[in-house]
Parts: sequence; structure tokens; C-alpha cells
Amino acid sequence: DAMVIQNPRYQVTQFGKPVTLSCSQTLNHNVMYWYQQKSSQAPKLLFHYYDKDFNNEADTPDNFQSRRPNTSFCFLDIRSPGLGDAAMYLCATSALTSGRGETQYFGPGTRLLVL
Amino acid sequence: QQPVQSPQAVILREGEDAVINCSSSKALYSVHWYRQKHGEAPVFLMILLKGGEQKGHEKISASFNEKKQQSSLYLTASQLSYSGTYFCGTGSNDYKLSFGAGTTVTVRA
Repeated sequence: DAMVIQNPRYQVTQFGKPVTLSCSQTLNHNVMYWYQQKSSQAPKLLFHYYDKDFNNEADTPDNFQSRRPNTSFCFLDIRSPGLGDAAMYLCATSALTSGRGETQYFGPGTRLLVL
Repeated sequence: QQPVQSPQAVILREGEDAVINCSSSKALYSVHWYRQKHGEAPVFLMILLKGGEQKGHEKISASFNEKKQQSSLYLTASQLSYSGTYFCGTGSNDYKLSFGAGTTVTVRA
């Protein structure tokens, strides 16, 4: 089945210790997104790739970086995690067809805990 | 700009109906509805495109009034499996979605 996969599902890291979250997709979608979702809040877009073009949201901290080495994979790097970065991180993909807000398909998420 | 959802929460008994509203201050091309269960990823329910269409999936349906920049999600004859947080995502003239703060639905037996 075509899907969006995230690894790991749960990640525990120490304050200030870099961490990388991964996302892969078999949908062959050209747009990939990273969201941060804190408890009882809406998903907050951090950045997205349209093919290889990287688009950062204006309020995304510099502490967050991303890489997309190919169509299928995308990584979220948190360079120096703080306690406030503990959250669920969601990866999503969409196929850009009309540019009118395409349906996004979400992975199961990675829950990050910062000690 | 984030759309506004109402109500924030609703509690239902099995078989009851509910309406969740989503409104935006921006012109909309599309409205997307997702349901998220605790600790899981959002699951796509349906998309409504500009044109005032109405869609349905089993006993969950939705409408989109582009002139009012509003959408409503209708839960009919609710089931226990309908419990979760419902998010609307609004699309404008790009390929990003803005999500509302969510409406938590609790269906009790």
C-alpha cells in the first residue's frame, strides 16, 4: 500500500543533543511537509519542499533544519533541542496538481521527548 | 491566517447529531477535513473545492460556502468511532493548508 512512513515513532533525546527524524513516502508526491504539533493544538507548518525547492515558514526557528535527498525521503534535523521542542512531529505529502491546497496525507508521526 | 473552528468541544451520545463550523477571513479555494485520534496522525476525511459543493462519506458530510468563506461538517447519527479531534484545513492559492485549532468530539454510549 502506498503510504507515508515516519521513523522512529518515539524519540527521546537530551537537552541540546542533536536529533534527526525521518520520513519516507511511496506515493511519489512532489511536495513534502513537516509539522510540529503540541498537545491540544493544530499542526503548525515548519517548512515544506516542492520537489527540491525548500520553503521555510517565517516563524520557524533556525534550530530546525531539513533535508530532502530524493523524492522519497525527507529529514528533520533539530540541532539543539530545547524542552519547548517536545512535541509530535508530523510529515505529510501531497501531489501538486492544481495548486489549490491539495490533500495532504500524513504519516503516523514521531513523538519527541526532550529530557 | 488560521481558520476559526467552533465549537471547541462537543459531547454526544451515540446516535446524536453535531455540526462543526470552520470560517476564514481569506478567500478560499478548498476546505479539507481531518480527524485525529489521540496520539495518532490526522486522517483525511474529505475535501471540498470552490464551487459550493457538498460531500458526504457514510454519515459524515460537509458543505462549503465560498461566498461566506465557511465550511460545516455534519456528524449524523454519531457512532463511538467518531470520537476524536476534527480539524479543518483551508487552502488558498498555493499548496499549503492552514489548520484550525480543532474541535474535540466525544461520543458516549
